[in-house]
Order: sequence, then structure tokens, then C-alpha cells
Amino acid sequence: EEQLVESGGVLVQPGGSLRLSCVASGFTFSSYWMHWVRQAPGKGLVWVSRINSDESSTTYADSVKGRFTISRDNAKNTLYLEMNNLRAEDTATYYCVRGSRESYNYGGYWGQGTLVTVSS
Amino acid sequence: EIVLTQSPATLSLSPGERASLSCRASQSVSRYLAWYQQKPGQAPRLLIYDASNRATGIPARFSGSGSGTDFTLTISSLEPEDFAVYYCQQRSNWPLTFGGGTKVEIK
Repeated sequence: EEQLVESGGVLVQPGGSLRLSCVASGFTFSSYWMHWVRQAPGKGLVWVSRINSDESSTTYADSVKGRFTISRDNAKNTLYLEMNNLRAEDTATYYCVRGSRESYNYGGYWGQGTLVTVSS
Repeated sequence: EIVLTQSPATLSLSPGERASLSCRASQSVSRYLAWYQQKPGQAPRLLIYDASNRATGIPARFSGSGSGTDFTLTISSLEPEDFAVYYCQQRSNWPLTFGGGTKVEIK
């Protein structure tokens, strides 16, 4: 059974840092592009970042560029999101998303999310 | 950035009725559009990819159509489990973008 399990979401002060992790199981992690998508409380979905299967290419939303870094460890079946200089507007549930089998850039499978709260 | 505008924001229907949800793109996305369903407290689920292809395990009552800038998700006969929020998403250009969502609620 496919699974994506996120962790690392906590309450952090503005300007702080955090690293989210997502452990994958039940599929060949190294074959898929992976994404982070966030959702502020009561709001819609916003794509944050993506990384290709061998970590040679990454892309970021303008709102996080220069502050967030996506990475992966295919040996550990784990996706990461390093978040620096956090702002109140980064408060959201962060979903780890596997690209679909049909296209790397659709969300074929989603984790249950981890909540990041940025507040003093 | 491609802006996706979904309408209506809320759709109030009864079980068994037909639902038509719209997604309009600010510029052409060809057929590179997907639809997702999200229920309260759950992660989104992929329903439709590339405008009209059902994802694995999605019932035939869900169908998608459109190309260019205008797309429609149709649920032919609403089941109780279909009341949820639906989002469209384009993969034509970076950044990937989502629409604001349509809530399908029980009338």
C-alpha cells in the first residue's frame, strides 16, 4: 500500500526555521517527481515546490524562492523541505505529493499533511 | 502565472442531481488540466487528468471536458460521498497553479 507520512510541523516564531520530512513507502520512490503543496487554514491549495526523481532539478513558487529548499534522499525514501525566514503567511498544512503515473506534475498521491504555524 | 478561476464558489444540489463545475484559465493550458476532490480533514484526491481522463479507481459518474481556457467537471448523478470541495490545477506552465475551489454542498 502506498503511503506518504509527513512530519516536522510545529509552532515556530516569525523568522525561524523548520525542516519538514516525508517518508514514502509502498512504491518506488526514486522513480517519481515529488512536490510540496500547502493549504492555509480554510483556504485553497497552493503549490510550493517540486523536485525531479534524481534531484537534478528543482522549482519553487516565487513566494518561497530563496527561503525554502526542497531535497530528497532516495536511499531513505524521504523528501524534505527546509524552511527558513518563516513568515506568518507560511502558516499552512504542508502536503507531500507524489507525481502521478500519467504526468509528473499532477498530484497522484498525497500524504495527510503536517501543520506549520508561524506566530509569536 | 496562469490564474485559474473556478465557478460557482458554492453549488447546492441534492443527491441524484447533475453537477457542472467550471474552471477558466487566464491563458491557454491546452489540455493540461486536472481536477481534485477534497473532503473535510482529508488530503485531495486526483479525479481527472489531462482534461478528460479519469484517474485509477475513479467512478464513471465523474467526467471532464474542455481545452484551451475553458474546462468543466461533470458529476452525472451526485452520490452522498461526492459532497466536497473540488479544485482544478494546470501543469502547462510554471508555477503550477490551482483554482480557488468549488464547494458542492447538500441542498
